[in-house]
Amino acid sequence: EPEVTQTPSHQVTQMGQEVILRCVPISNHLYFYWYRQILGQKVEFLVSFYNNEISEKSEIFDDQFSVERPDGSNFTLKIRSTKLEDSAMYFCASSGQHYGYTFGSGTRLTVV
Amino acid sequence: DAKTTQPPSMDCAEGRAANLPCNHSTISGNEYVYWYRQIHSQGPQYIIHGLKNNETNEMASLIITEDRKSSTLILPHATLRDTAVYYCIVRVSGYGQNFVFGPGTRLSVLP
Repeated sequence: EPEVTQTPSHQVTQMGQEVILRCVPISNHLYFYWYRQILGQKVEFLVSFYNNEISEKSEIFDDQFSVERPDGSNFTLKIRSTKLEDSAMYFCASSGQHYGYTFGSGTRLTVV
Repeated sequence: DAKTTQPPSMDCAEGRAANLPCNHSTISGNEYVYWYRQIHSQGPQYIIHGLKNNETNEMASLIITEDRKSSTLILPHATLRDTAVYYCIVRVSGYGQNFVFGPGTRLSVLP
């Protein structure tokens, strides 16, 4: 069964550093998403991406965040200057048919 | 998207059916009912979805009431691996629509 692949599985970074989280969506999917989940809290929508541009973003997705599809397979989330409160699980997802999304297994970001 | 209400937690004995309820009294005619689950800290996993007819797949069955104001997800023979948080989400179908996750129901399957 096709999978969404995320790397790395765990990243530790110092506050103020830039991080890039990487995702390989399912190959024939057209919409891509990033969600995050702070420990013990709900899964929160960050951004959706289609046709090489952001289609929707939440209030969380401020100027510190950016997304990019640098080639035909990767989808990245960049956090320019990490804060302690950015520590969370970050999930990438992609969608094709209307039956929903396929989520990756996540990247655990720890900001110290 | 319509709001959903789910019990915060439920227990189920291994091998028995797990019936997870969801209320969505403000659902509109073009909104589907989706179910996802999240095992530990893994990414949410799609289970099933439906509009108004009952649906069944290899994972579960979805029963939607005739007025569409509530639904029940049924895991026919729960196993320990079904222990997870189950999310009922109502939204329109189609590309690009994001899912709004609530707190869900934490299902514990007990040996």
